[in-house]
Amino acid sequence: GNSVTQMEGPVTLSEEAFLTINCTYTATGYPSLFWYVQYPGEGLQLLLKATKADDKGSNKGFEATYRKETTSFHLEKGSVQVSDSAVYFCALDGLGYGGSQGNLIFGKGTKLSVKP
Amino acid sequence: DGGITQSPKYLFRKEGQNVTLSCEQNLNHDAMYWYRQDPGQGLRLIYYSQIVNDFQKGDIAEGYSVSREKKESFPLTVTSAQKNPTAFYLCATKRDSSYNSPLHFGNGTRLTVT
Repeated sequence: GNSVTQMEGPVTLSEEAFLTINCTYTATGYPSLFWYVQYPGEGLQLLLKATKADDKGSNKGFEATYRKETTSFHLEKGSVQVSDSAVYFCALDGLGYGGSQGNLIFGKGTKLSVKP
Repeated sequence: DGGITQSPKYLFRKEGQNVTLSCEQNLNHDAMYWYRQDPGQGLRLIYYSQIVNDFQKGDIAEGYSVSREKKESFPLTVTSAQKNPTAFYLCATKRDSSYNSPLHFGNGTRLTVT
């Protein structure tokens, strides 16, 4: 079945450091891929998405490229800020081909802490 | 101001009592979802509904029930049959069933059962 595997956290970085959070997936077809962010005490917010191979999603300095050959969608940011401290979730919508299973499958989340 | 409203933010109940969590949306989205979040386990799907008066079980539906009588509302009842009800519950909506339509989340309800 479809699944998402994220690197385990927590990840602790200093301000302005480079961030990578690894995400790999298992899916049939051509899933859409998403990164969500969750700040303490809140729901999840969509950070970025990619819907086909080699697409790059980007938002707020974060980027992720849909790599079908390695079934990966790693999240990167060149220079993190204290305000980026949150939990990051990788997710997939598993049917693809323009259709949808209707719900997303999430990784377990990676907690990021950025120190000043 | 469009969005998803979950209420209350914190909810406390005694073991053996049923409790209903509210989720209301004014985004005019077709699909609505309930997820449960536990530390270290990510999000797990409880129930979802893609159209009014219809809903499907997710991965962990046992001990929960839902209704979808109106497009705007998708309440979740946590029954006394749910063995470990203490968790953070998230309601989400999706505009339609297209594969690149993202989920939009409410701010969650933290349920504590003692």
